[in-house]
Amino acid sequence: AQSVTQLGSHVSVSEGALVLLRCNYSSSVPPYLFWYVQYPNQGLQLLLKYTTGATLVKGINGFEAEFKKSETSFHLTKPSAHMSDAAEYFCAVSERQGAQKLVFGQGTRLTINP
Amino acid sequence: EAQVTQNPRYLITVTGKKLTVTCSQNMNHEYMSWYRQDPGLGLRQIYYSMNVEVTDKGDVPEGYKVSRKEKRNFPLILESPSPNQTSLYFCASSLAVAGELFFGEGSRLTVL
Repeated sequence: AQSVTQLGSHVSVSEGALVLLRCNYSSSVPPYLFWYVQYPNQGLQLLLKYTTGATLVKGINGFEAEFKKSETSFHLTKPSAHMSDAAEYFCAVSERQGAQKLVFGQGTRLTINP
Repeated sequence: EAQVTQNPRYLITVTGKKLTVTCSQNMNHEYMSWYRQDPGLGLRQIYYSMNVEVTDKGDVPEGYKVSRKEKRNFPLILESPSPNQTSLYFCASSLAVAGELFFGEGSRLTVL
């Protein structure tokens, strides 16, 4: 069974600092991997996804993530945090074969300090 | 504009009073799903639908029902709500099963 673990329910960084949100997954088959962002009082929207091909994936708003099969990780990074990045971030995994659903991690709330 | 619309956005009800949360998408997506979001638990899938008249249980289906009579609509029914169903609910749709999910804005339900 697939599962997702996000390390750290809360992450706080200064404006302009590196953002690193950690995600590890377990899956019995090669997975599809996603990062979603949720701004206050809104639904989730897709930041980026990995399905096949290049393991470094670029998304919206300057975010990127790297699929590392050996580490079963898909960490999200952004070189320089902006105040508008404050939100909750969810990592999700879906199995490639016969995929019926997305399994989400617990979420990480990102706070940006001025 | 492509969107997933949920109603109501906010609802306070009492134990045992049947309610329906509607969900409609205008993107002609085949796949639709309901999630509940609870602090520290992330999003958990309640039910999903691969197409019209095709529905199946997710991880936490107890106490919920769904139907998919039309492609665009996927209502969530709570026949006899209980306080442990107090939560934030999201409807989502996608073109393909493992494709990008498009989410509604959420429905915050409180059961007293």
